Amino acid sequence: GESVGLHLPTLSVQEGDNSIINCAYSNSASDYFIWYKQESGKGPQFIIDIRSNMDKRQGQRVTVLLNKTVKHLSLQIAATQPGDSAVYFCAENRDNFNKFYFGSGTKLNVKP
Amino acid sequence: GAGVSQSPSNKVTEKGKDVELRCDPISGHTALYWYRQSLGQGLEFLIYFQGNSAPDKSGLPSDRFSAERTGGSVSTLTIQRTQQEDSAVYLCASSSGQQSTNEKLFFGSGTQLSVL
Repeated sequence: GESVGLHLPTLSVQEGDNSIINCAYSNSASDYFIWYKQESGKGPQFIIDIRSNMDKRQGQRVTVLLNKTVKHLSLQIAATQPGDSAVYFCAENRDNFNKFYFGSGTKLNVKP
Repeated sequence: GAGVSQSPSNKVTEKGKDVELRCDPISGHTALYWYRQSLGQGLEFLIYFQGNSAPDKSGLPSDRFSAERTGGSVSTLTIQRTQQEDSAVYLCASSSGQQSTNEKLFFGSGTQLSVL
């Protein structure tokens, strides 16, 4: 079946380094994607989104890249900080405007 | 309110008992979602309410699960005859419900349900 998934379940980086978290999706009809950050004991928080008519979108210290050819999404975090330690989920919007499907998440560990 | 509020934050129950989980969405948000998150897993869609439309119940795992949304605001997720595999974090989210554009979800902190 179609699914949203992540390549790396756990990623450890040194403080100050850049982080890249990847996500693969299989539904070519999906047209909207969101990255969420979930800290321990909290609900997911919106980080950044991208529509399928874009290849790249930048926020504060974060960049999302979308490659529709290979159905791949990535989240880049610049100058990773200890506060970035969390689980990151990509979410795919399909079927209708507001129904999202989430991947299993990648845990980011930032080492001081 | 300022954000999505869920209660209780933790619930411990015995197998076979019924539980009710509550969600207060952001004021004015017409769309409301329930997701389930098992330990170390992603978010599993359960049910979606949009305004006065019939809810999308396609994600409910069994007929033991049901949800209501009264007055277009507060929602209650009910699990009857709970089983141990129901143990998970139940997350509620809301959005403004403007279907002309894609929009992000705002999540509550969830209810941690433990079935003994």
